[in-house]
Amino acid sequence: GESVGLHLPTLSVQEGDNSIINCAYSNSASDYFIWYKQESGKGPQFIIDIRSNMDKRQGQRVTVLLNKTVKHLSLQIAATQPGDSAVYFCAEKSGAAGNKLTFGGGTRVLVKP
Amino acid sequence: DAMVIQNPRYQVTQFGKPVTLSCSQTLNHNVMYWYQQKSSQAPKLLFHYYDKDFNNEADTPDNFQSRRPNTSFCFLDIRSPGLGDAAMYLCATSRWGTDTQYFGPGTRLTVL
Repeated sequence: GESVGLHLPTLSVQEGDNSIINCAYSNSASDYFIWYKQESGKGPQFIIDIRSNMDKRQGQRVTVLLNKTVKHLSLQIAATQPGDSAVYFCAEKSGAAGNKLTFGGGTRVLVKP
Repeated sequence: DAMVIQNPRYQVTQFGKPVTLSCSQTLNHNVMYWYQQKSSQAPKLLFHYYDKDFNNEADTPDNFQSRRPNTSFCFLDIRSPGLGDAAMYLCATSRWGTDTQYFGPGTRLTVL
């Protein structure tokens, strides 16, 4: 079946550096993508989303890039801080799936002081 | 603040003893979801409600049931919890026609 997956399970980043988290998806009909941050023992927290008619969207210290040609999504975090340590999930939705999201496997980001 | 609330945050039950988890929301969203999340895994959708219309995922065991008495509340009932049902259970909401789902803090279920 269709799936969304991540390349790296764990990413160690020096505080102050930029982080890049990657996500591959396989459903060419996906039209909406979203990134969540999940801290230990908490529910996923919305970070940023993007629709398939865009290739870049920026938020506060975060940027999402979408490359539909190679079905690749990335989340960039600028000036990574200790509070950014968490597991990050990408998820996608296609119009045929109604409101259902398909989640990727998650990447753990560890920020080193 | 508008939010998704889950109670209890931690639940311990015995093998085979029915348990109910609760979710409430003040967002007035018409779609509510229940996910199961095991350690180091992505959330797995169990079922969702669009208003009172229940939508079960094909691979959700019959052991898992849900009730939505009104817009604000949704319950997850596990009729006979097994050791394999120990997990974090997440409730989420969205407004039909929009795509963003908002999650609650989760209930950590332990089965003894």
